[in-house]
Amino acid sequence: GDSVTQTEGPVTVSESESLIINCTYSATSIAYPNLFWYVRYPGEGLQLLLKVITAGQKGSSRGFEATYNKETTSFHLQKASVQESDSAVYYCALGGTGGYKVVFGSGTRLLVSP
Amino acid sequence: AQTIHQWPVAEIKAVGSPLSLGCTIKGKSSPNLYWYWQATGGTLQQLFYSITVGQVESVVQLNLSASRPKDDQFILSTEKLLLSHSGFYLCAWSLKGEDTQYFGPGTRLLVL
Repeated sequence: GDSVTQTEGPVTVSESESLIINCTYSATSIAYPNLFWYVRYPGEGLQLLLKVITAGQKGSSRGFEATYNKETTSFHLQKASVQESDSAVYYCALGGTGGYKVVFGSGTRLLVSP
Repeated sequence: AQTIHQWPVAEIKAVGSPLSLGCTIKGKSSPNLYWYWQATGGTLQQLFYSITVGQVESVVQLNLSASRPKDDQFILSTEKLLLSHSGFYLCAWSLKGEDTQYFGPGTRLLVL
């Protein structure tokens, strides 16, 4: 079936260090996968961080980047220099153009220490 | 601007008792609507989706049901709660033809 696997947390990083949260997917029933990163900041609701619908393209938001790699079926989230305010839970997700089904990864809690 | 409201914010219920959770979306006509569930420490699972009033599709069977009585309202319910129903329930909406979803604040449910 369709599935998403991401880095198990918590991930602890010091402020200004770089970050990568791995995400790989399997899309068996979704013909044209779209890939997402959602984020839940402490005390807030789940919100979209970035989305990419075309293989080979990169999405970016708030200093985070992720490239849709169809060959390796990956969509890793990266940031060159994290801030304490980036502490949150990050979810990788898989959807399909025009479809209704979205499959989420288990979430990765990021803790950024000052 | 669109707003999504879920009620109640939190609930503690007894095993075997009924449950009704609600979700309302304002500022968007005929959205697609979704229910998700997340057990403590677990993955966010899509339970139901609805593309129009009166029509609901089940994605995962968890002894729950959903209904869409109005264009802007989505209800999740069961007549008999199980311990395994505990967790966090999220409602979401999307535009027609789009898969980007926008989430509500959630309802935390504890079944004892």
